[in-house]
Amino acid sequence: DTAVSQTPKYLVTQMGNDKSIKCEQNLGHDTMYWYKQDSKKFLKIMFSYNNKELIINETVPNRFSPKSPDKAHLNLHINSLELGDSAVYFCASSQDSAGLSDEQFFGPGTRLTVL
Amino acid sequence: AQKVTQAQTEISVVEKEDVTLDCVYETRDTTYYLFWYKQPPSGELVFLIRRNSFDEQNEISGRYSWNFQKSTSSFNFTITASQVVDSAVYFCALSEAGEAAGNKLTFGGGTRVLVKP
Repeated sequence: DTAVSQTPKYLVTQMGNDKSIKCEQNLGHDTMYWYKQDSKKFLKIMFSYNNKELIINETVPNRFSPKSPDKAHLNLHINSLELGDSAVYFCASSQDSAGLSDEQFFGPGTRLTVL
Repeated sequence: AQKVTQAQTEISVVEKEDVTLDCVYETRDTTYYLFWYKQPPSGELVFLIRRNSFDEQNEISGRYSWNFQKSTSSFNFTITASQVVDSAVYFCALSEAGEAAGNKLTFGGGTRVLVKP
């Protein structure tokens, strides 16, 4: 059974378009995250949500808008895509009782290519 | 602000050699958590270990071992008798405790390990 799943796995699109990446976890976790991995493999947090509430917004441009319809889903919508948005986007989840920073389980990643 | 440094960008070894990956971190918190993740060529991120700042015992899991030294702010990782399947990028990460920190992971730049047959 897939613990953290993301769709699509690959996304190729033109500059200026709007696109969404979906993430679902079936682990019953309270906290979900989005990370961006650039071409040099550097991983950086973008957002975290706890029980559908935004906890971290790591100075990400307003063109990126996360949406959490319920505890098991955290989608990422990107408006007006730019070349610099090309990266691999990872969704993750963790239990995190009382801020104990539990292990984060990562999805397989979505490789976004903006042409 | 928290920071993680992995000074080695790439290490190449021959199978059966031991390899040690260095990780140095910075944080102002007294309570924090350290992690190692593996990213094989297939791209997924695989959890290896989580250690809290109050537990300085070294840990061994099969061919993997970790050396946590608070005095030098280091959390090094050793693969003993490396195998070709160990070829991957390895990330060290830090998370500060407390709900305000949001449990975000701050990653080091990663160390690419190439194990040659």
